[in-house]
Amino acid sequence: EELLLESGGGLVQPGGSLRLSCAVSGFTFSSYAMNWVRQAPGKGLDWVSVISGGSSYRDYADSVKGRFTISRDNSKNTLYLEMDSLRAEDTAVYYCAKDQSRSATVTGIMDVWGQGTTVTVSS
Amino acid sequence: QSVLTQPPSAFGTPGQRVTISCSGSSSNTGTNYINWYQHLPGTAPKLLIYRNNQRPSGVPDRFSGSKSGTSASLAISGLRSEDEADYYCATWDASLRGVFGGGTKLTVL
Repeated sequence: EELLLESGGGLVQPGGSLRLSCAVSGFTFSSYAMNWVRQAPGKGLDWVSVISGGSSYRDYADSVKGRFTISRDNSKNTLYLEMDSLRAEDTAVYYCAKDQSRSATVTGIMDVWGQGTTVTVSS
Repeated sequence: QSVLTQPPSAFGTPGQRVTISCSGSSSNTGTNYINWYQHLPGTAPKLLIYRNNQRPSGVPDRFSGSKSGTSASLAISGLRSEDEADYYCATWDASLRGVFGGGTKLTVL
């Protein structure tokens, strides 16, 4: 069974930093692109970032570009999201999600999702 | 405000067929595949439909997707109480990357 488990969420002050992790099992992690998607309270799903299987391609939503960094350690089957200069509007549940395709092309079809970890940015 | 527009709410009774629309423009829905996700609050979102009309294994055939021009639709037939959830259309393209619609809250009366 393909499983994703996020961790690292918590309460942080505006301007602070936090690192989220997503531990995966049940599939060959290095073969798939991975995404972060968030949901702010009362709002819809919002794509944040993507990284290819070999880390050669990374991209970000404009709202987080320059503040968030996505990375992965294929030897540890773990995806990361380093979040700096956090703002109140970054408050959300953050989900990691696996891309469906084994090819080098990101499809945006997210076929496996984690349960999410909550990030609250407040003083 | 998302570039993919969905109605904020939809309603149906058990056994009924309901459809949820997703409209965009020639630069997104007009040229790219549309995927649909089901999300119950507090749980992991679930892929329901991909590439406009493909169902992942395990998704009942009560769920179907279609696309015509710049609009897409998700249809749910034989509506059940457990279908009450939020539904999102989404697409991926080279410039916008990941884009979700605003979501539609489906209530089963």
